[in-house]
Amino acid sequence: GESVGLHLPTLSVQEGDNSIINCAYSNSASDYFIWYKQESGKGPQFIIDIRSNMDKRQGQRVTVLLNKTVKHLSLQIAATQPGDSAVYFCAETGSNSGYALNFGKGTSLLVTP
Amino acid sequence: DSGVTQTPKHLITATGQRVTLRCSPRSGDLSVYWYQQSLDQGLQFLIQYYNGEERAKGNILERFSAQQFPDLHSELNLSSLELGDSALYFCASSGLGGDTQYFGPGTRLTVL
Repeated sequence: GESVGLHLPTLSVQEGDNSIINCAYSNSASDYFIWYKQESGKGPQFIIDIRSNMDKRQGQRVTVLLNKTVKHLSLQIAATQPGDSAVYFCAETGSNSGYALNFGKGTSLLVTP
Repeated sequence: DSGVTQTPKHLITATGQRVTLRCSPRSGDLSVYWYQQSLDQGLQFLIQYYNGEERAKGNILERFSAQQFPDLHSELNLSSLELGDSALYFCASSGLGGDTQYFGPGTRLTVL
């Protein structure tokens, strides 16, 4: 079946460095992609999203890149801070699934001082 | 704070029992989605309601059911509980289909 996967289960970076979290998706019908951050004991928190008619979208310290040719999504976090330590999930969806989110397994980001 | 509320925060019960989880969406949101998060299955979509009507179904067991009430809050009913039903249950809400989904804090269900 269709799946969304993450290349790396864990990522350790030093405070101040940039972080890149990658995600592969396989449903070519997906037209909406979202990154969520989940801290321990909390619900997923929306970070940034991108529609399939865009290649790049920037937020505050975060950038999402979408490569539809190879079905790849990435989240870039600039100047990573200890508060960025969390599990990051990519999710994909589209009208064919009623916009229900299909989540990847998650990447644990650990920011060390 | 996402604006989505869920109660209770924690629930401990025994196998074979039935529980009800409650979700109140963000003000103005018509869609409610339910997700289950377990260690082995990750975050999985269960069911969606839009303005009181079921809109989409995912990997929801027949022992589970949900509904959305006229005031737009939603309840997820889990019956004949098994040990494997122990998980975090999240609801999310959005305005229209394709809008950003905002998640509640979740209900942690433990079945003993």
